[in-house]
Amino acid sequence: DAKTTQPTSMDCAEGRAANLPCNHSTISGNEYVYWYRQIHSQGPQYIIHGLKNNETNEMASLIITEDRKSSTLILPHATLRDTAVYYCIVRINSGGSNYKLTFGKGTLLTVNP
Amino acid sequence: GAGVSQSPSNKVTEKGKDVELRCDPISGHTALYWYRQSLGQGLEFLIYFQGNSAPDKSGLPSDRFSAERTGGSVSTLTIQRTQQEDSAVYLCASSFSIRDWEYFGPGTRLTVT
Repeated sequence: DAKTTQPTSMDCAEGRAANLPCNHSTISGNEYVYWYRQIHSQGPQYIIHGLKNNETNEMASLIITEDRKSSTLILPHATLRDTAVYYCIVRINSGGSNYKLTFGKGTLLTVNP
Repeated sequence: GAGVSQSPSNKVTEKGKDVELRCDPISGHTALYWYRQSLGQGLEFLIYFQGNSAPDKSGLPSDRFSAERTGGSVSTLTIQRTQQEDSAVYLCASSFSIRDWEYFGPGTRLTVT
């Protein structure tokens, strides 16, 4: 799987949008961008994924650049409960051992009151 | 709806004892995964089930570890003769199919004294 690079930490004010960047310059054409998060002492939680089009769900939006070398996860109105480590990974959706989830260091997002 | 549940939430055991950890996946999910996470560390893949069979047991650390899944539903991870290095949070996840994202349970925190 392609490697990803994320900032170690970020701060955001409650109620404001949180924009979390991720670089994945070696991504392959059949690799998807996935975002997960892990709130302290809880299991990981899937947030969103996409291939090349921007995606939006009830939790977040995912913006993928046209060259697919980077992406941004957007939490439109961050709350204190969004404080967590956010992981960006790239993985294919079929074949091989893509089912093995591997997280890097991730970004610790701290939402401040 | 009900998510992935795990029991017990916490388990303290003496070195050398056997432990059983249980996972109830989301109903209808055919794929089930076990991971463990040591303090401050990333995810360590243990085993993956498709239905009741385990195509990939490559992550099990030693022959003291075993897992089974019955009825395409509940799974049990058994650790025999526990050692202190087995202390970790054991996470179970399930997905509708191997191509879909995972839903994680809250984990079982195992402490071997």
